This record gives sequence, C-alpha cells and structure tokens, in this order.
Amino acid sequence: ETGVTQTPRHLVMGMTNKKSLKCEQHLGHNAMYWYKQSAKKPLELMFVYSLEERVENNSVPSRFSPECPNSSHLFLHLHTLQPEDSALYLCASSQEGTGPYEQYFGPGTRLTVT
Amino acid sequence: AQKVTQAQTEISVVEKEDVTLDCVYETRDTTYYLFWYKQPPSGELVFLIRRNSFDEQNEISGRYSWNFQKSTSSFNFTITASQVVDSAVYFCALSEAATGRRALTFGSGTRLQVQP
Repeated sequence: ETGVTQTPRHLVMGMTNKKSLKCEQHLGHNAMYWYKQSAKKPLELMFVYSLEERVENNSVPSRFSPECPNSSHLFLHLHTLQPEDSALYLCASSQEGTGPYEQYFGPGTRLTVT
Repeated sequence: AQKVTQAQTEISVVEKEDVTLDCVYETRDTTYYLFWYKQPPSGELVFLIRRNSFDEQNEISGRYSWNFQKSTSSFNFTITASQVVDSAVYFCALSEAATGRRALTFGSGTRLQVQP
C-alpha cells in the first residue's frame, strides 16, 4: 500500500448504528486530519492530530469521535448520526515541523445516513 | 482570518482550449503557503503544487502553469491545451506559517468540464 488509504470506501448506516471509518498513511508523516465534504459546503476541517495528540477540534458534534492510536492510523467512530451527516469523509496526512503543511489525501469514505 | 475565494463555480471548455482558474486569498500573515489540489470524480484530492509567500516566481509543469501575484493576492492556475482527463474539481488552499495552524483553508472549488 502506498500513500493514504481509507476503508470502507462506501458506507450506508442507519441513524442508530455505530460504525468506524479507518485511515492509514504509509508516508511516514506525523500529523493526520479528518475533513468533511458535503454538497452544500466547502471542505470542512473536523479534527487534527499531531504526534498522536488531538490538537484541533472544529466544533464537531460529539456523535463523531476520533481516535489516533499511532502516527500511521486514524479512526473516526460514528454513532447516532443524522441524515445531514451524509457526506464524503476525507483523511489526510502531512509532515509537521517547519511546514509547509502540505497534505496528502486518501480517496475518502462516502457515507450515507438513512 | 484567512480566506480563499474561487469565484468561478463551474467552467466548461472544449478540448485543446486554454483555461485559467482564479484564486484570491486573504491573510494577515507575511509568511504563508498556497496550494492547488485536483479532485477527479473518484473523490481523492491530488496535490498539484505548493508555493510559499516569498517566492513569486511563476511555475510551469507540462501543460500546467501557476501565476502568483502578491500585489493582488492571487494565485491563478492555467491549463494549456486542455484535455478531457483534466475534468475535475480544482481547489485552491492556504496555510499560515506564523500561527502554527496546521490545517488548510480551502476555497469552494471550481468544477472544470472539458468537452471532447
């Protein structure tokens, strides 16, 4: 595997389900990100992890719960979602330090909440 | 606060035409970075270029070229002799070095359709 991978690529879930999105980066980076991309809004940053520590949380509802067990893996745990949470969820990684914060993205998980 | 504006929502051209995608940014930092990403129908954002604020040299890579103008806060992207495979959504993005904020601020994207 190379670059940034995400699984599953597509997910359909009911509002009462619990599911998790997985992201893995094979680039040796030390920062990882979750973004949400919906039809009506530009790319929205959700969470930032640097050296496995959450450093940014952009007022995301608690029904989204991130986890970063190590610098290569990032999860997004989902529970009791709403239909408006249907979107493309993108994971990215970058190398921290002196910048320039160039990020590499995975292919995304297309989530549909029914 | 930082902001990126891509005023062109959608552009349609015929193959072999040249096309320019506009990007205007706002930032209070003197040191910042600008990026362009391509998002084909498959969904993955593909990194195209990075430019830092103290390097205003234009860059050319094959059919792609970028024009960075600090005086007008613009970072425009031109595709020469467009091809159908260039059809995608293109995003301009900004990061500010001084604040240490790691995340990118994206524009709303420009959808480019290249007709055969």
